[in-house]
Amino acid sequence: AQTVTQSQPEMSVQEAETVTLSCTYDTSESNYYLFWYKQPPSRQMILVIRQEAYKQQNATENRFSVNFQKAAKSFSLKISDSQLGDTAMYFCALNSPTGNQFYFGTGTSLTVIP
Amino acid sequence: DTAVSQTPKYLVTQMGNDKSIKCEQNLGHDTMYWYKQDSKKFLKIMFSYNNKELIINETVPNRFSPKSPDKAHLNLHINSLELGDSAVYFCASSLSGSSRNIQYFGAGTRLSVL
Repeated sequence: AQTVTQSQPEMSVQEAETVTLSCTYDTSESNYYLFWYKQPPSRQMILVIRQEAYKQQNATENRFSVNFQKAAKSFSLKISDSQLGDTAMYFCALNSPTGNQFYFGTGTSLTVIP
Repeated sequence: DTAVSQTPKYLVTQMGNDKSIKCEQNLGHDTMYWYKQDSKKFLKIMFSYNNKELIINETVPNRFSPKSPDKAHLNLHINSLELGDSAVYFCASSLSGSSRNIQYFGAGTRLSVL
């Protein structure tokens, strides 16, 4: 079975500060993909960042970066220089190429405080 | 151009009615999904179709019936609506076997059953 766990239901951060969102997962697959999606109040699901499990280098997209620890099955998201527009629900997700199913965590609600 | 479009965005209806939500993607993807997001923001997979064939059918009441007339469309029909069906329903699509393997979401349909 494949599972994704986000243990922080809610978090807050001051504007311009850095925050890290946690995600752990479980899979028996050797090759898989990990994602962070953002869902702002508009409710649109937006892809933030993507990591391929066979790549050791951590993915980075502007202010967003991940800390991928394959052995520990951990995939945390770091947001640097937090902006008010980062206020959203963040979902961690797992996909294996052998199946077409994406597994989502329960989400972390992030609030950026001015 | 919207990649994954759902209609309608809002749907308010009475208990017992039958309603449909339509989804279309213009990304050339071969796999489409329906998710239900409840009031706690949990995302739950309902169905997945690959090349018009049902590949994932989670434990969902048989009042919910997906229909895929072609690879670009996956509609969701709901019979005898109940109060508990109130939620946001998301359509998504992806390309199986792709090295990018990203899931793209529609804007969601907020269903309110009165």
